[in-house]
Amino acid sequence: GAVVSQHPSWVICKSGTSVKIECRSLDFQATTMFWYRQFPKQSLMLMATSNEGSKATYEQGVEKDKFLINHASLTLSTLTVTSAHPEDSSFYICSALRGAGALTDTQYFGPGTRLTVL
Amino acid sequence: SQKIEQNSEALNIQEGKTATLTCNYTNYSPAYLQWYRQDPGRGPVFLLLIRENEKEKRKERLKVTFDTTLKQSLFHITASQPADSATYLCALEGSYNTDKLIFGTGTRLQVFP
Repeated sequence: GAVVSQHPSWVICKSGTSVKIECRSLDFQATTMFWYRQFPKQSLMLMATSNEGSKATYEQGVEKDKFLINHASLTLSTLTVTSAHPEDSSFYICSALRGAGALTDTQYFGPGTRLTVL
Repeated sequence: SQKIEQNSEALNIQEGKTATLTCNYTNYSPAYLQWYRQDPGRGPVFLLLIRENEKEKRKERLKVTFDTTLKQSLFHITASQPADSATYLCALEGSYNTDKLIFGTGTRLQVFP
């Protein structure tokens, strides 16, 4: 099956520090990965689309300088929350697109990372 | 504005019954619609995809319908089991001809013995 991992699974940090979250596709290559954020009892909100070897595409309202995305290889994308503040506390989930480029290729989701900023 | 609505109230049903969840959308013309399962503190797990030209799709105990006129999808779990208890999310193609997904808020299903 297609497995996507995230690391760390949870992190607690002080306000003003930066946190890096890794997303890996373990048994397939993913040209495209997505980053989502989910607040309690709310839906997943797409933050950005990460493409290997190119700049990420951010959704409206998402600060690209605050949420740095690097997709350096076909199996790894990282999200860095810079100068984190308590309002950035959330559940961050990545997904990796597996397929040959068809519009209905399946997204496989990671287990999520719980970020708590004190 | 574009909107995807799922019943925010939890659905409680007895084991063995059929659970039916609803997903309504407005101001979208998606080429496909997907259903996911999400357990607490975990990422979503893909269940089914149905295309705009398909009326119905089945997978084991799951059935999805897609009515592009009503702008609605129904998700059925037959012979439900306590292990089916989870939050179920529908997701639409976010932008024309892209892989971006826009998710509904999900419906919490609780199956009791």
